[in-house]
Order: sequence, then C-alpha cells, then structure tokens
Amino acid sequence: EVQLVESGGGLVQPGGSLRLSCAASGFTFSSYNMNWVRQAPGKGLEWVSYISSSSTTIYYADSVKGRFTISRDNAKNSLYLQMNSLRDEDTAVFYCARVKWHAFDVWGQGTMVTVSS
Amino acid sequence: AIQMTQSPSSLSASVGDRVTITCRASQGIRNDLGWYQQKPGKAPKLLIYAASSLQSGVPSRFSGSGSGTDFTLTISSLQPEDFATYYCLQDYNYPITFGQGTRLEIK
Repeated sequence: EVQLVESGGGLVQPGGSLRLSCAASGFTFSSYNMNWVRQAPGKGLEWVSYISSSSTTIYYADSVKGRFTISRDNAKNSLYLQMNSLRDEDTAVFYCARVKWHAFDVWGQGTMVTVSS
Repeated sequence: AIQMTQSPSSLSASVGDRVTITCRASQGIRNDLGWYQQKPGKAPKLLIYAASSLQSGVPSRFSGSGSGTDFTLTISSLQPEDFATYYCLQDYNYPITFGQGTRLEIK
C-alpha cells in the first residue's frame, strides 16, 4: 500500500525548533518529488516547500524562507522539514505530499505543530 | 505569486444536484491545475489533475475543465459523501498556490 506517515509534531515555544519527518512506503520514494503543505486551524491549505527527487531543486514559501529547511534521505525513504525560529502563525497541521503528473496524488495523515508559550 | 480566486466560498446544495465550482488564475497556467476534496480532520484527496483528468478511483460524477486562467470542477449528481471542502491548486510555477476553498454543505 502506498503510504506517507508524518511524525515529529508537538508543542513548542515561540522561537523554538522542531523537525518533522515523513516516512514513505509502498512506492519507489527516490523517483518522486515531494512537498510539505500546512493548514492552520480552521483555515485553508498553504504550500510550504518542495524538493525534487534527487534534492537538486528546492523551493520555499516566502512565509518560511530562511527559517525552514526541507531535506530527504532516499536510502531511508524519508522526507524532513527542519523548522527553526517558530512563530505563533506557524501553528498548523503539516502534511507531506507526493507529486505525480503535476499533482499531489498521495498525502500523509498530517502532524500537528502548536507554537505557544 | 499567482493568485487563485475560487468561488463560491460556500455553497448549499441537495443530494442529486449538479454543482459547479470555479477557479480563476491571475495569469495563464496552461492546464497545471488540480482539484482536491477535504473532509473534516482528514488529509486532502486528489480528484482531478491536469485540469480535466480524473484521478484513479474517483467517481465519474466528478469532472474538470478549463485551460489558461479559468477552470471549473463539476459534480454531476451530488451524493451524501460529497459534502466537503474543495480546493484548487496551481503548480504552473512556484510558489504553488491554492484557492481559498469552497465549503459544500447540505441544504
């Protein structure tokens, strides 16, 4: 079964750091580009970051540029999001999503990040 | 960044109704648009990719059309399980942007 499972969310104070992971299974992870998408409570979807299959191309939303770092380990079938200098407005459910045919065809269940003092 | 204007923001309809949701891009995006369905507490689900291609396993009552700047998602005959929030997404270029969402409610 094709599956993405996020982990690493939790409660963190403003200015703190957190590292999210996304474990892939059921497909050849190294062949796919990946994204992180987030959704603040009661709000719409916001794209966060993209990484190509071989990590050669990376993009970030302006709202996280300079604070978040996307990476992947194809040997471990894993995608990561290192989040530093967290702000209240980063509170959200974070999803990892696979790219296929210019679309996000597989999504994880999401992991909740709460930034609060 | 490309702005995606989705309308309506909410919609009340009955089972069996035909429903149309639209997305307008602030510049041409070819057909690099997808439609997603999200139910409360769940991850989004891909319905339509490349503006008009039906994702495997998605019922044929869902269809998409459009190219350039104007796109539509049509549900031909609403079923109880279709009441959810729908989003369009453009990936013509980065930053990727979503529409604001359309909440489809039972009348």
